[in-house]
Amino acid sequence: EVQLVESGGGLVQPGGSLRLSCAASGFIFSNYWMSWVRQAPGKGLEWVANIKQDGSEKNYVDSVKGRFTISRDNAKNSLYLQMNSLRAEDTAVYFCARVGGVRGPCNFWGQGNLVTVSS
Amino acid sequence: DIQMTQSPSSLSASVGDRVTITCRASQNIAGYLNWYQQKPEKAPKLLIYAASSLQSAVPSRFSGSGSGTDFTLTISSLQPEDFGTYYCQQSYSPPLTFGGGTKVEIK
Repeated sequence: EVQLVESGGGLVQPGGSLRLSCAASGFIFSNYWMSWVRQAPGKGLEWVANIKQDGSEKNYVDSVKGRFTISRDNAKNSLYLQMNSLRAEDTAVYFCARVGGVRGPCNFWGQGNLVTVSS
Repeated sequence: DIQMTQSPSSLSASVGDRVTITCRASQNIAGYLNWYQQKPEKAPKLLIYAASSLQSAVPSRFSGSGSGTDFTLTISSLQPEDFGTYYCQQSYSPPLTFGGGTKVEIK
């Protein structure tokens, strides 16, 4: 059974840092692009970043460039999102998602992890 | 960046109705268009990928069509469990933008 389990969220002050993790199981993690998608409270979905199978290619939405870093450890079947210089507008539920091929959809999602940026 | 515009933003329909949601891209995205359903407090679920391919285990009442800039999601006969918010997403070019969503309510 495919499973994606996010962890590492919580309350952080503006300007602070947080690292999200996503533990994958039930599929060959190293074969897939992976993505992070977020959803602010009461708002729609926003794609945040993605990473190629071997980590050699990464893409970000403009609003997080220079502050967030996506990475992966294929030996640990894990995806990460390092979030620095956090702002109130980064408050959201963060989902990790498996991507189905080059230019493919997010075909499996984790349950989500809430990050709250507030003083 | 490619902008995705969905309409309507919300709709209310009866069980058995045919429902259509549209999504327009700000530039040509070929067929790289995906549709998701999200229920409250849940993760999104993939319904349609590559504009018209039905994801495994998704009921056949869901269908997608379109190419280039204009796309449609159709629910041929609305069922009570189809409530939720529906999102389109382009996977043609990063950032892989989503539409604003269409909230579907059952009358």
